[in-house]
Amino acid sequence: NAGVTQTPKFQVLKTGQSMTLQCAQDMNHEYMSWYRQDPGMGLRLIHYSVGAGITDQGEVPNGYNVSRSTTEDFPLRLLSAAPSQTSVYFCASSYVAGQPQHFGDGTRLSIL
Amino acid sequence: AQSVAQPEDQVNVAEGNPLTVKCTYSVSGNPYLFWYVQYPNRGLQFLLKYITGDNLVKGSYGFEAEFNKSQTSFHLKKPSALVSDSALYFCAVQGAGNMLTFGGGTRLMVKP
Repeated sequence: NAGVTQTPKFQVLKTGQSMTLQCAQDMNHEYMSWYRQDPGMGLRLIHYSVGAGITDQGEVPNGYNVSRSTTEDFPLRLLSAAPSQTSVYFCASSYVAGQPQHFGDGTRLSIL
Repeated sequence: AQSVAQPEDQVNVAEGNPLTVKCTYSVSGNPYLFWYVQYPNRGLQFLLKYITGDNLVKGSYGFEAEFNKSQTSFHLKKPSALVSDSALYFCAVQGAGNMLTFGGGTRLMVKP
């Protein structure tokens, strides 16, 4: 099993550009989530989904959109990139909320 | 709102000595508590969890954690540290709802 796969691994954007961070899992997990990791701040939840067609906001949702059309995929969209969104982004999944999560290896995003 | 505090940015310990990484939490209702470890340029890996039952929880790689409800703490421990334990450790809590909240992380340095 591949587990949780994130693409791309690295990306540099200019302010105002848009892009989609991809996340796919092959474990048939219902719960998927997106976090950003910034130095000294741990991981902060951006958006999460408890199943296909269901998404909800986390702690820091502004500037990001998500959708969950299939169980496997949970893309994160940056609508208009800002330097404050420079971060490492992690996608994670688990069978249900409250169970240990499996993390991808992250996408390192720089906004110039 | 739920929160997690990891009061030490870094913990230094000599190889073979016991280690403790501290975590305190605040949450409504009964907590689900987790410890994760992160190695450089990788996603987080699950170590152990507490949901109910025994206050001493055993996890991967010889780690254990003690749940203390009165002190709202969930400290990570290991009887004998290895150099390979050097990594970034995160405590996380989930209360009512589906959101997982992480602490800011503690860097563990084990010296030979």
